[in-house]
Amino acid sequence: EPEVTQTPSHQVTQMGQEVILRCVPISNHLYFYWYRQILGQKVEFLVSFYNNEISEKSEIFDDQFSVERPDGSNFTLKIRSTKLEDSAMYFCASSEVLGQPQHFGDGTRLSIL
Amino acid sequence: AQTVTQSQPEMSVQEAETVTLSCTYDTSENNYYLFWYKQPPSRQMILVIRQEAYKQQNATENRFSVNFQKAAKSFSLKISDSQLGDTAMYFCAFMKINYQLIWGAGTKLIIKP
Repeated sequence: EPEVTQTPSHQVTQMGQEVILRCVPISNHLYFYWYRQILGQKVEFLVSFYNNEISEKSEIFDDQFSVERPDGSNFTLKIRSTKLEDSAMYFCASSEVLGQPQHFGDGTRLSIL
Repeated sequence: AQTVTQSQPEMSVQEAETVTLSCTYDTSENNYYLFWYKQPPSRQMILVIRQEAYKQQNATENRFSVNFQKAAKSFSLKISDSQLGDTAMYFCAFMKINYQLIWGAGTKLIIKP
């Protein structure tokens, strides 16, 4: 069965550094999402992406965040200047069409030191 | 604003028993989707079951079924013949009209041998 894949599985970064989290959505999916889950807290929506542009973003997704689809397969989340509070599990998801279930990757655990 | 509430932080049952996880939500929308996702200790986010609000029939997937009460805004998950591999965090999620997922806080389910 096709899967969403995320790399790396764990990223450790110094505060203030830039980090790029990578995702390969399912190949025939058109809608892409990033969520984060701070340890012990609810999963939170960050951003949705369709047709090479952001469809929706949450209050969390401020100017330090950006997303990109640099080629036909990858979907990346960049955090420009990381803060301690960015430590979380980051999940990428994709769906074929709107309203269909979002399929999640295994997540990237981001630890900011 | 839409909210999702899971009132049971943790539950445990013996293997082979049936367990029901509760979820309530609040929305003024008439058409929406509801999901249960499972997050085992490996931290993947796995879709368990999906329900469209316009369908009266409760969704079923093998040992997993839901009791969807639209008027009461309730969406419980029943797991029959529970197995050790069902041990996980279970998240109820509501899909907003703009297709971002709103998540409950999760229920930790432990299946005891």
